[in-house]
Amino acid sequence: GQSLEQPSEVTAVEGAIVQINCTYQTSGFYGLSWYQQHDGGAPTFLSYNALDGLEETGRFSSFLSRSDSYGYLLLQELQMKDSASYFCAVRARSSGDKLTFGTGTRLAVRP
Amino acid sequence: DAGITQSPRYKITETGRQVTLMCHQTWSHSYMFWYRQDLGHGLRLIYYSAAADITDKGEVPDGYVVSRSKTENFPLTLESATRSQTSVYFCASKGPAIYEQYFGPGTRLTVT
Repeated sequence: GQSLEQPSEVTAVEGAIVQINCTYQTSGFYGLSWYQQHDGGAPTFLSYNALDGLEETGRFSSFLSRSDSYGYLLLQELQMKDSASYFCAVRARSSGDKLTFGTGTRLAVRP
Repeated sequence: DAGITQSPRYKITETGRQVTLMCHQTWSHSYMFWYRQDLGHGLRLIYYSAAADITDKGEVPDGYVVSRSKTENFPLTLESATRSQTSVYFCASKGPAIYEQYFGPGTRLTVT
């Protein structure tokens, strides 16, 4: 099976940069995804990394190191609306098109 | 309406009752998924379907039944609801060869 670890909570100040880490254990790794979920809302897709390196999409970037079984989500120029839960999810050969989600990191952005 | 919808959005039922949660998507995505979300557990996969008439168990399938006679619909049935099935249920879909799963708005189910 797969397992993922991410911090349960992170707090940051508006305008700052925050990094949310995710470590995973799996066999036959394909890729790591990140999803955002606001309170009471549905998860929405942010990014997917299959290869090592940094992928940038606007204020959000996602990084993957396959050799370290590690990835992170980087949020820059934090805004109050970024307060949400962030989930990493792994896709692996053993699970095909299914995703295994981490337990999520709750980000609180303070003024 | 385009997208993925779930009904009902809120449901209260009693222990032992059968309840069906509906999921409908308009993209003709081949893959559909049912997750439950509980505090401290994140999203856990209950069942998924790769195409009409093809379903398979996920991480926590016990007490649930699914069917998929049409590509666009993927109902989830709790045969005899228990309090431990009180949760928020999300349906999701994706097309082949893409990574992004699209989630419905969720159904908040309370079993009393």
